[in-house]
Amino acid sequence: DGGITQSPKYLFRKEGQNVTLSCEQNLNHDAMYWYRQDPGQGLRLIYYSQIVNDFQKGDIAEGYSVSREKKESFPLTVTSAQKNPTAFYLCASGGPENWSNQPQHFGDGTRLSIL
Amino acid sequence: AQKITQTQPGMFVQEKEAVTLDCTYDTSDPSYGLFWYKQPSSGEMIFLIYQGSYDQQNATEGRYSLNFQKARKSANLVISASQLGDSAMYFCAMREAVDSGYSTLTFGKGTMLLVSP
Repeated sequence: DGGITQSPKYLFRKEGQNVTLSCEQNLNHDAMYWYRQDPGQGLRLIYYSQIVNDFQKGDIAEGYSVSREKKESFPLTVTSAQKNPTAFYLCASGGPENWSNQPQHFGDGTRLSIL
Repeated sequence: AQKITQTQPGMFVQEKEAVTLDCTYDTSDPSYGLFWYKQPSSGEMIFLIYQGSYDQQNATEGRYSLNFQKARKSANLVISASQLGDSAMYFCAMREAVDSGYSTLTFGKGTMLLVSP
């Protein structure tokens, strides 16, 4: 079945440590996105990518980094510069952009906590 | 300024009744799209319904319908005949173009819906 796979489901980070969240999609979508969700809050955009080897900062990119070396993969690194990383992270992908009625499809998320 | 406003942090409804979840939006762009997603306690985001800014009719998908009032910039979700499985967080989101030619989604803070037997 086509879909988006995020791993791991739960992740713990020590102070000063970088961690990488995985996101893989087999929907053949061009665009991929990373969102952060804090308890009781909506989703906020961290980074997005429309094509391979290109990505753009979202609203809260500080302390995060991404890469897009393959169409199927869009890993997110939470760096030690992100002082409050505890949150639920959601990866999404989307088909042709700009006024399409096609929704973004989401993975099941990764819960990141500080040890 | 918030682009998407959901003023109801929580809503209660009895099973089999209809419920309306409010969403207002702010944009100066004539072309935009509005989406509603459902997020159960397990965390996944489930797409429910879409309304384009140029659509003449209100969108409907099964028990979900969208009350789109363009002049008021509101896009309220109506769930008819509520079921226990409808208990979840509901998010309204708006798609707009950004300078680079891409488009992104902006989400509201959500409304928690609880359906009681």
